[in-house]
Amino acid sequence: AQSVSQHNHHVILSEAASLELGCNYSYGGTVNLFWYVQYPGQHLQLLLKYFSGDPLVKGIKGFEAEFIKSKFSFNLRKPSVQWSDTAEYFCAAYNAGNMLTFGGGTRLMVKP
Amino acid sequence: NAGVTQTPKFQVLKTGQSMTLQCAQDMNHNSMYWYRQDPGMGLRLIYYSASEGTTDKGEVPNGYNVSRLNKREFSLRLESAAPSQTSVYFCASHGPNYNEQFFGPGTRLTVL
Repeated sequence: AQSVSQHNHHVILSEAASLELGCNYSYGGTVNLFWYVQYPGQHLQLLLKYFSGDPLVKGIKGFEAEFIKSKFSFNLRKPSVQWSDTAEYFCAAYNAGNMLTFGGGTRLMVKP
Repeated sequence: NAGVTQTPKFQVLKTGQSMTLQCAQDMNHNSMYWYRQDPGMGLRLIYYSASEGTTDKGEVPNGYNVSRLNKREFSLRLESAAPSQTSVYFCASHGPNYNEQFFGPGTRLTVL
């Protein structure tokens, strides 16, 4: 069965620090990959997605992610975080089985 | 265009009580999903409906039933609530564009 793992459960950064959140998936076939963000008290919103083509994907709010097929990874990055980036971040993978599998999430706290 | 809506937003039940969580989408999507979100476990799929008239079990279906009433509505029923079902429940629908899922605002359920 497909699985998605996120290595960091909690991350604390100061404003302007760089961010990298790890994500690995287990499915060996064609996958569509996503990063979602959940701000406190809100529902999930799509940050970015990868389906094919350029492995470096740019999303909203200055986020980007790199798909490395050989490592089964899809890490999320942002060069300089802001206090408003405080949220929980979820990596997800979709396969042809019609199911989206989520990682356990990473809680990011950005200190002003 | 309201997207995905859910009712109620909050609910407290006693063990053994029943209730139905309602979900509706106005985006003309074929596929709809019910997830539960628990700390550190990400979102886990309870049931999904690939199209009107069909439903399938997800990762954690025990203790739940669903009804795809029509293309717009997909309800989740707890017949006899248990404390282990205390969670935040999200409904989602599957967009036509590269499998992106759109999420509702969630229902926070507490079972005492």
